[in-house]
Amino acid sequence: GAGVSQSPSNKVTEKGKDVELRCDPISGHTALYWYRQSLGQGLEFLIYFQGNSAPDKSGLPSDRFSAERTGGSVSTLTIQRTQQEDSAVYLCASSIRGGFQGSTEAFFGQGTRLTVV
Amino acid sequence: QKEVEQDPGPLSVPEGAIVSLNCTYSNSAFQYFMWYRQYSRKGPELLMYTYSSGNKEDGRFTAQVDKSSKYISLFIRDSQPSDSATYLCAIGGGTSYGKLTFGQGTILTVHP
Repeated sequence: GAGVSQSPSNKVTEKGKDVELRCDPISGHTALYWYRQSLGQGLEFLIYFQGNSAPDKSGLPSDRFSAERTGGSVSTLTIQRTQQEDSAVYLCASSIRGGFQGSTEAFFGQGTRLTVV
Repeated sequence: QKEVEQDPGPLSVPEGAIVSLNCTYSNSAFQYFMWYRQYSRKGPELLMYTYSSGNKEDGRFTAQVDKSSKYISLFIRDSQPSDSATYLCAIGGGTSYGKLTFGQGTILTVHP
């Protein structure tokens, strides 16, 4: 597809279960970002991948959260032992290159709405 | 103190009104300033991008950055019902290379 694709679009899980969220970035984009958006809140940075560099994990809220990016393309965000406070929309974005020089636009997917019950 | 502060509104205006949306930020190292628009149940999309201080105009939209006051604004002229959305300011640069810091978002409704 032409845009950033995320799956599933909705996920309901029981407290304590693990979940995996998938992001397919735009082909050729070297930078990939994960953000979290809680109800009525702005976007909270989670993690940033740029090419083969070590990812910036500074936004991951706890060690229950991890992310991988395989082959410089698809990324998976994993949340272990989910808690109710993890309920949010998880948004993935990609851009041609990292940083913002020259108006490097980040294109967002539609997000995965996670509900922990 | 949050790095970026944005009044969440909600803001309701009649069609044709001029809308002013604002954010303040705390880190003077930020260099890149953006406004994203987010429709309900969609991902944000880039609306305006500005580097450093100054104004930028694109159709009915004008973005202003005042680095001395650490204040950014988005003006929408002749607002339309289709402008109804959440508007998020986003700031980057400095030591946060690759990471955008977002404001809370302002919910705007333009009624006919």
